[in-house]
This record gives sequence, C-alpha cells and structure tokens, in this order.
Amino acid sequence: DAKTTQPPSMDCAEGRAANLPCNHSTISGNEYVYWYRQIHSQGPQYIIHGLKNNETNEMASLIITEDRKSSTLILPHATLRDTAVYYCIVRVGRGAGGTSYGKLTFGQGTILTVHP
Amino acid sequence: EPEVTQTPSHQVTQMGQEVILRCVPISNHLYFYWYRQILGQKVEFLVSFYNNEISEKSEIFDDQFSVERPDGSNFTLKIRSTKLEDSAMYFCASQDRAGNTIYFGEGSWLTVV
Repeated sequence: DAKTTQPPSMDCAEGRAANLPCNHSTISGNEYVYWYRQIHSQGPQYIIHGLKNNETNEMASLIITEDRKSSTLILPHATLRDTAVYYCIVRVGRGAGGTSYGKLTFGQGTILTVHP
Repeated sequence: EPEVTQTPSHQVTQMGQEVILRCVPISNHLYFYWYRQILGQKVEFLVSFYNNEISEKSEIFDDQFSVERPDGSNFTLKIRSTKLEDSAMYFCASQDRAGNTIYFGEGSWLTVV
C-alpha cells in the first residue's frame, strides 16, 4: 500500500472546523483514501473514504485533490469528543476477482486535540 | 447499529499459557481481521480471513498464532504459548459484503505476566 504522511499533532478550538491534511503522493489508481480515528485506545472508528471525488457524511467531509496526491479531512464543528488520533490510510480497492481488497495499514496518525 | 463484539475485554495470563480471544463479527460480513496494538505503538495487522481460510498474514503471525471460525458466527484468535511481548490490545474487525469498510471491535487487552 502507498505510504501516507500526516502531521504528528494539531490543535483546534471547539466549534471551529478541524482540517487534517494527508499526503499520499505515490497513490495508485486503484487505491482509496480512508480515514479512521482512535479515541484513547478504543477500537479504530471508520470516518469516511473516497477514491477521487469529494465525499461527505454525517461525521466529516473528505476533500481529495485532483491529482489525488493529497487529501484533507474536515470536521466541520469540532467538539471535545473529537479529540483522538486520526489515521489517513491508502488502501487497495476491489480487483478483477472482486475479493482483492487490501488490508488497512496504520501509520502514526495525527493527534488532534480539541480545546475549549 | 451493528457492531463487532469482543471478549474478554481484559485478560491476564501467565507466560506460556494458551489464550483464546473471541470475536463476533457483524452479521453477514465475509472478511475478518485481527490487529494488535502494543501500548504506545501503532495498530499492526496480524491476519485476514476469508472463505474459511487465511488470506493474508503478517510476520508477527507466526506458528504460535492461529485463527478459526468454528461455528459461522464466532471468529477466534488463539495464542498457543504466550510470551511477555504478546501483551497488547487485540482488535478484531470485519468487512462488509461490498468490501468498502472495515469495522473494528473495542478490543481485548491481553497482559502476559
């Protein structure tokens, strides 16, 4: 899987948008960008994923650059409960056989601290 | 919302003992995983399981480890003879039919003494 680069830590004020960047300059055409977070050693929690289009769900928005070499996760109104380690992961998508989804490979992630 | 459940939440075992960690994946999911996280370190892939066989395993997953889906609902990780360095949080995960998303359980914390 392609490697990702994330800042080790970021701060955000409660109620403001948190914008978490991720570089994945060696991403391949069949690789998706996934975001997970881990709150205090709990199980990683799925947030969002995308291939090339921007995506939005109830938790966050994902903005992927046109060349797909970087992306940004946006938490529109951060709360104290959003304090966590955020992982940007590039993962191989479905292949010809339909069963070749790759595993998730976690890096160090970004420690996001939301403060009052 | 369906979730992956794991038992026990915490287990303390003596070095050399066998340990079985249990997981109930989300119903109708087809792909299953075990990951582990040593305290203060990254989440590491151990093994993936599909169609009743291992599809991929990491270097960590040596002969001391085994996985099984004995009854169509449970998914277990067995460590045959635990070592001190096996102390970690072990996460089970399952993947939906579409293959898009992997969902993790809350983990089983294993302490080997």
